[in-house]
Amino acid sequence: SQQGEEDPQALSIQEGENATMNCSYKTSINNLQWYRQNSGRGLVHLILIRSNEREKHSGRLRVTLDTSKKSSSLLITASRAADTASYFCATDASNFGNEKLTFGTGTRLTIIP
Amino acid sequence: KAGVTQTPRYLIKTRGQQVTLSCSPISGHRSVSWYQQTPGQGLQFLFEYFSETQRNKGNFPGRFSGRQFSNSRSEMNVSTLELGDSALYLCASSVGRENSPLHFGNGTRLTVT
Repeated sequence: SQQGEEDPQALSIQEGENATMNCSYKTSINNLQWYRQNSGRGLVHLILIRSNEREKHSGRLRVTLDTSKKSSSLLITASRAADTASYFCATDASNFGNEKLTFGTGTRLTIIP
Repeated sequence: KAGVTQTPRYLIKTRGQQVTLSCSPISGHRSVSWYQQTPGQGLQFLFEYFSETQRNKGNFPGRFSGRQFSNSRSEMNVSTLELGDSALYLCASSVGRENSPLHFGNGTRLTVT
């Protein structure tokens, strides 16, 4: 079963605008990760935020984590056509570290040139 | 470094047959995980191996099995295929420590007819 629910399910924005995706989960976690998937391909790791962190940046990506609300958001600034993809949050609640990730339902992001 | 390699890329099988999928992890990675991705259920965890030992298993029937070899390469096997087994099967490798990201292959697209 999936732990995470992502919102919105689909998002279309103009190139250059910012895109925000949200993720909610149900149980305590060690970390939360965001992945990108281009159609029919494997997932690419974007960013990992640990349970004791509240915000993390990587290039045009900004991730926040609120463990009290069991939620996270991913902000992509100054979007580009190449950002068109599906984005998934994944939570790690495992014993040894990342041996079992639980993925959300994903947000399909379309950037309109 | 070469990425995660999955073979074959596409596979068509008939109900009742069995199938073996192969995954070569990134050099030095000792953990290999397998996920099933379908439009209806999303990304579902199958199992994870670390140094030839299964550390965790998802909620799949016994028809789904896997193994890992001493060189960290992994195989998964599905016996008595059902139509519902049609999916994209993704393999991911990592160093296997806490807070280490997963590196995914491009998957094997299995179609059961």
